Amino acid sequence: DQQVKQNSPSLSVQEGRISILNCDYTNSMFDYFLWYKKYPAEGPTFLISISSIKDKNEDGRFTVFLNKSAKHLSLHIVPSQPGDSAVYFCAASATGGSEKLVFGKGMKLTVNP
Amino acid sequence: EAGVTQSPTHLIKTRAQQATLRCSPISGHTSVYWYQQALGLGLQFLLWYDEGEERNRGNFPPRFSGRQFPNYSSELNVNALELEDSALYLCASSSDGYEQYFGPGTRLTVT
Repeated sequence: DQQVKQNSPSLSVQEGRISILNCDYTNSMFDYFLWYKKYPAEGPTFLISISSIKDKNEDGRFTVFLNKSAKHLSLHIVPSQPGDSAVYFCAASATGGSEKLVFGKGMKLTVNP
Repeated sequence: EAGVTQSPTHLIKTRAQQATLRCSPISGHTSVYWYQQALGLGLQFLLWYDEGEERNRGNFPPRFSGRQFPNYSSELNVNALELEDSALYLCASSSDGYEQYFGPGTRLTVT
């Protein structure tokens, strides 16, 4: 039972354009959401998080949007850079923090120069 | 500041054997988390240790166990290995229960 779903396995965008990565969840108890980026042969790297009391959080080129009624969140990267090419994981927790995170399967982003 | 380290990088075992994986957290971090990433799947939460105690575990059988030492390093033990235990095992540490910092992982192959 996949509680966190990243339905698109891959996305390809041009350098300088916007990348939008989507994530859906089924557990209404989730109250804390995170995005991680993973390069080959490395562990995931924390990107940005959002609490369920917010609907938007920005950090530089990265913005996460949360739509609680739709149980959907998205990560926007603007502008996209070739170094952003990686696998992106969406994760959620029902504890208000990152204990017992539930991860999606990941989405591979390719940013073409 | 040194990141999370894991050893070994690769581990090859045969069925029914035991595997031991090790993790050293970032200095000052008291929480250690273990995850399994099997082929084609996302990261599956395995275990959480904090201040030497097991705080929570995911939906894995009891043959997956571990411990956290007084210096906050941790080891994950997998007994009676099965073929489907072949996966990347990731360790993460945290100081505040929010942001988790991951190590590079241990690739376990069971033949």
